[in-house]
Formats: sequence, C-alpha cells, structure tokens
Amino acid sequence: NAGVTQTPKFQVLKTGQSMTLQCAQDMNHNSMYWYRQDPGMGLRLIYYSASEGTTDKGEVPNGYNVSRLNKREFSLRLESAAPSQTSVYFCASADRGPNYGYTFGSGTRLTVV
Amino acid sequence: QQPVQSPQAVILREGEDAVINCSSSKALYSVHWYRQKHGEAPVFLMILLKGGEQKGHDKISASFNEKKQQSSLYLTASQLSYSGTYFCGTGPPGDSWGKLQFGAGTQVVVTP
Repeated sequence: NAGVTQTPKFQVLKTGQSMTLQCAQDMNHNSMYWYRQDPGMGLRLIYYSASEGTTDKGEVPNGYNVSRLNKREFSLRLESAAPSQTSVYFCASADRGPNYGYTFGSGTRLTVV
Repeated sequence: QQPVQSPQAVILREGEDAVINCSSSKALYSVHWYRQKHGEAPVFLMILLKGGEQKGHDKISASFNEKKQQSSLYLTASQLSYSGTYFCGTGPPGDSWGKLQFGAGTQVVVTP
C-alpha cells in the first residue's frame, strides 16, 4: 500500500546515545515533516522540508538534525539523546492542493532512560 | 502560537451530535482537521482554505469563520467509529501546508 513508512517502531536509548529515525514515502510528495507527540500537547513540528534539498526548523528543533536524502526519504537524527526527548515521533508527507492533507506514518515510540 | 481546541473531551451516545472548536489568536488562513485513534497515526479528514468555507465528509463537516479566527468541526448522528482524538492544524499565511501548528486535541468517546 502507498504511504509513509517509518522505522523503527519502538526504540529505547540510554541518555547520550545517538540514533536516526528513518522515513520514506512513495506518493511522490514534495513536502515532508517530522512531528513529536507528547500527552496533552498535541503534535509539535520539529523540522520540515518543503521540497528536496531544503529543510527548515519548526517549533522544537533543539537537539535534532534532519536530512532530506532524496524526494522519498527524510531522516531525523538525535545526536545525544536526553530523557526530555522521550516521545512518539511521526513523519508526514503532503502535496499541495485544495483536498490534500498530511499523510502520517505509523510513528516511532522512543524512550530515553 | 498553538491553536486552542474546546472542549478537551466529550462523551456521546450513538446518534448524538457534537461540536469541536478550534480558535487562534492570529489570523487564520487555512485549517486542517485530523482524527487519531488510540495507538495509531492521525488521519486527514478535511482542509478549509477560505474564510466562510464549509466542507463535509459523511456526517462530519466543518466550517471556517475567518473573522472570528475560528473553525468548528461538527459530528452529526455520531457513530461508534467516530471515537478518537480530533486535532485541528493551522497554517501560516501563504503556505497552507508548511509549518502546521496543531491544537492539543479533543478526545471524543461515542458509547452504544
């Protein structure tokens, strides 16, 4: 099925470890996004990429880096994980038009201990 | 600034109606609505791009009042499948798909 694929689905890290969350979409969308979701706070934008070759900070970019590897793939890297980064991370993609919204991946549940 | 959703939660019996509001302190240019079931990803419902626009999807519809800087989602004759958390997302001027800011969500529980 077409959509957004995220890996891994679950991860436990120790404080200070690094990791990369992978995201790929096969809908030929130009824009891709990384959000984190914490209880009671909704979805907060970490970084986004309006098109291949461009990235921009969102509301909560500190402690993260991103790479738009090609049109399909957009990865999120935690260089030195902290307990405050424990969250559920969603990748999304979108194309522009009056009836199109974001398509979200199934999420990565990350715990930093 | 994050849009404000109200109510935070609502419990309905099957067949009842509900309204969820999404308000912003800044001018609204676009509003997205999503539904998320427990443990799953948010799913797109609809987008409103113009003040005064109304849209519907089955018995779920939405309106966009630009002057009041508010959008409302209407759940009509609710079904069990409508249970979940509903989020509104607002876009910046000139870019309805970039840097969406989401509200904290409204949890909807529909009981038999």
